[in-house]
Amino acid sequence: EAGVAQSPRYKIIEKRQSVAFWCNPISGHATLYWYQQILGQGPKLLIQFQNNGVVDDSQLPKDRFSAERLKGVDSTLKIQPAKLEDSAVYLCASSLAGAGANVLTFGAGSRLTVL
Amino acid sequence: AQSVTQLGSHVSVSEGALVLLRCNYSSSVPPYLFWYVQYPNQGLQLLLKYTSAATLVKGINGFEAEFKKSETSFHLTKPSAHMSDAAEYFCAVSRNSGGYQKVTFGIGTKLQVIP
Repeated sequence: EAGVAQSPRYKIIEKRQSVAFWCNPISGHATLYWYQQILGQGPKLLIQFQNNGVVDDSQLPKDRFSAERLKGVDSTLKIQPAKLEDSAVYLCASSLAGAGANVLTFGAGSRLTVL
Repeated sequence: AQSVTQLGSHVSVSEGALVLLRCNYSSSVPPYLFWYVQYPNQGLQLLLKYTSAATLVKGINGFEAEFKKSETSFHLTKPSAHMSDAAEYFCAVSRNSGGYQKVTFGIGTKLQVIP
């Protein structure tokens, strides 16, 4: 089966600019996650979708970050305006609902550098 | 609240030596526990998971982990390290939160294998 697709793989922007990341999960996976992984740290959950509804966005900096999941499939994560501390790898993951819901399949990530 | 603590952000072993990566968990209910591996410039992939069926869990690439409730530990081991095992390893815990699975990761342990 095809894996979780993410793009772009790399992005360099200046602070105060905007950026968007795209994710296409595994077909049939109802749950989609966006994690932020800062160098030297573990992944931190930003937002979790169940189909196209948000079930957890408690750690999403809503003044600058936004995310949507259209039609319960693809998702886009946007940062506007970016800050230096947003430099990180943004990982998208997906999982089944139900019994397999806690096994995540990750994409390769989108590495953001903010100058 | 649930969390995992990984002891040692960097571990170095000689090729052929025992690999031991430590993880302790904190959970108010019996947890689901996981180990993921991340190779450079890639997303995380599942090594193994504990779901209470057996305390000793075998994963891919010769890794295994033992769940010890009395020690609240889930350490990852491999009898003989291979150069290809050099990667970053993340322990994770999952719990049901409001009908959805919430997965929390540790900070990671970077494994270096010395020839």
